[in-house]
Amino acid sequence: SQTIHQWPATLVQPVGSPLSLECTVEGTSNPNLYWYRQAAGRGLQLLFYSVGIGQISSEVPQNLSASRPQDRQFILSSKKLLLSDSGFYLCAWSAGLASGAGELFFGEGSRLTVL
Amino acid sequence: GNSVTQMEGPVTLSEEAFLTINCTYTATGYPSLFWYVQYPGEGLQLLLKATKADDKGSNKGFEATYRKETTSFHLEKGSVQVSDSAVYFCALSESNYQLIWGAGTKLIIKP
Repeated sequence: SQTIHQWPATLVQPVGSPLSLECTVEGTSNPNLYWYRQAAGRGLQLLFYSVGIGQISSEVPQNLSASRPQDRQFILSSKKLLLSDSGFYLCAWSAGLASGAGELFFGEGSRLTVL
Repeated sequence: GNSVTQMEGPVTLSEEAFLTINCTYTATGYPSLFWYVQYPGEGLQLLLKATKADDKGSNKGFEATYRKETTSFHLEKGSVQVSDSAVYFCALSESNYQLIWGAGTKLIIKP
């Protein structure tokens, strides 16, 4: 069966420090991968998605970046965090183009607090 | 463009009450529709889905029917429990790459 893991689950970082959140998927190949952010009490904001290795689409211009170095690995990064980067970050995957109706499977989430 | 509108929360109910969370959408074509649930401190889980008009998705006592004539996908449950307290998101598939999300509705069930 397919599983998705992301880490760390919680982190507290000072303003201006770097960020790296990692997400891996197991049990499937060539998934679509996504990074979402959920600000406190708000809905979901799509940050990045990827349909293949090295292919990244950015939905919102900001100081975050994403990379997909391997088929089932998706990394969210920042060189210098801002206070406004605080939030709950969710990684998700979906089946590739040939199957499914867009159903997403989510990781456990990473709560980032920037001080 | 496509969009999803769901009722603002929080919705507060007593245990065993009947639940309805409204969701309406605008879309070109024939999207699939979804309800996701997010329990406190966790990621989202798919609750149910419907892929074509008049389909009814159901899971864990929850139901929603894909109504094309009213462009709606309202979530219902006959008797809620405290454990149903969560945030519920309605969404539609715009393509095989992306979902369009509603803002989420927080549900609070009191014993």
